[in-house]
Amino acid sequence: DAGITQSPRHKVTETGTPVTLRCHQTENHRYMYWYRQDPGHGLRLIHYSYGVKDTDKGEVSDGYSVSRSKTEDFLLTLESATSSQTSVYFCAIRPGQGANTEAFFGQGTRLTVV
Amino acid sequence: AQRVTQPEKLLSVFKGAPVELKCNYSYSGSPELFWYVQYSRQRLQLLLRHISRESIKGFTADLNKGETSFHLKKPFAQEEDSAMYYCALLRGGAQKLVFGQGTRLTINP
Repeated sequence: DAGITQSPRHKVTETGTPVTLRCHQTENHRYMYWYRQDPGHGLRLIHYSYGVKDTDKGEVSDGYSVSRSKTEDFLLTLESATSSQTSVYFCAIRPGQGANTEAFFGQGTRLTVV
Repeated sequence: AQRVTQPEKLLSVFKGAPVELKCNYSYSGSPELFWYVQYSRQRLQLLLRHISRESIKGFTADLNKGETSFHLKKPFAQEEDSAMYYCALLRGGAQKLVFGQGTRLTINP
């Protein structure tokens, strides 16, 4: 399982409510990423982190915020969920720099906003 | 800006036929490219990386900087190759990892 766990695995929420997804790793890897997977769009990067308290925006960051207060946890927050944020969300981790380092993915979180 | 394009959303070939999944990229720096695969009910996983110049499960991919391409090829497709394939580009520095739109490959018996 590469020591990466996403929670919850499934969630249904109402439009306008805040939602937080959690990515937890036990590998002490430096880099963490949040993606959303949608048909026809593939995997799109939302935010990523290159260290504790160090984060940056990806391609589709509007409406999302992240926090990483410790190495093992990377939280993705939808401040006010919208139906367009219905998607499958994936977290990934990487140990270090360079093309020799592989990204490991979580199982995904299926979020439905009604 | 770095970008990865996979022009084919769906690709269907017969078992034993050659397979080529296309990937084009745009990036001003030196690209580091990967292919990831997602089999049914499994996590996304690394298939191969350009720096290793390896062959995994019969797949190879060559980086062509002139054409800014990193196409994935296999001479003889097998049914177990049916999956979703993603091309990815890693940007140096902050290590931003971006993916293409994905190609769903179906191998027909």
